[in-house]
Amino acid sequence: RKEVEQDPGPFNVPEGATVAFNCTYSNSASQSFFWYRQDCRKEPKLLMSVYSSGNEDGRFTAQLNRASQYISLLIRDSKLSDSATYLCVVNRDTDGLTFGKGTHLIIQP
Amino acid sequence: DTGVSQDPRHKITKRGQNVTFRCDPISEHNRLYWYRQTLGQGPEFLTYFQNEAQLEKSRLLSDRFSAERPKGSFSTLEIQRTEQGDSAMYLCASSPIVSGNTIYFGEGSWLTVV
Repeated sequence: RKEVEQDPGPFNVPEGATVAFNCTYSNSASQSFFWYRQDCRKEPKLLMSVYSSGNEDGRFTAQLNRASQYISLLIRDSKLSDSATYLCVVNRDTDGLTFGKGTHLIIQP
Repeated sequence: DTGVSQDPRHKITKRGQNVTFRCDPISEHNRLYWYRQTLGQGPEFLTYFQNEAQLEKSRLLSDRFSAERPKGSFSTLEIQRTEQGDSAMYLCASSPIVSGNTIYFGEGSWLTVV
């Protein structure tokens, strides 16, 4: 089983819709969790950290379920500019971050 | 610009040649990471430094790869005897030592081996 698994998509979603991604991780010792966004041929950029209690940043909501070892990202009122690859990331605090392969999101006008 | 900078941004080299990439991290960051990313994949961890000490190396880092951070500031990643399979984007990132802190990436160095 891979350390971090995501559905690669693509997810084709109409503008204004709500879309959700899930991600599962295998190492129960993982301590920190993040969502990164990556545009085509660009570097990954931090979208948001994921906290146990769940957290929201504008149209984005992240949830963590430690018991089931999954992380979710919800995007409300999606914009064309949300089109990107969303990378699920975990950190065991002993080394660098471990990335999933990413979920490709396409927002259609 | 006080972000992570990488040089060169693009490199085309012939198979068998050596290449070196440089990374300058955010100045107050103690940790520096190297990742490799190929098309359709997430970034894959290669190695990381805490100050000048190289603390972990992935098994992806074959003996043709070597990384240094001699003074705990900038770092270099050298690939010897390049192969076509080395074609990828090489990403450098840095972070403070604070537990659980996120990392910040440079724009990457694209390598094409022909």
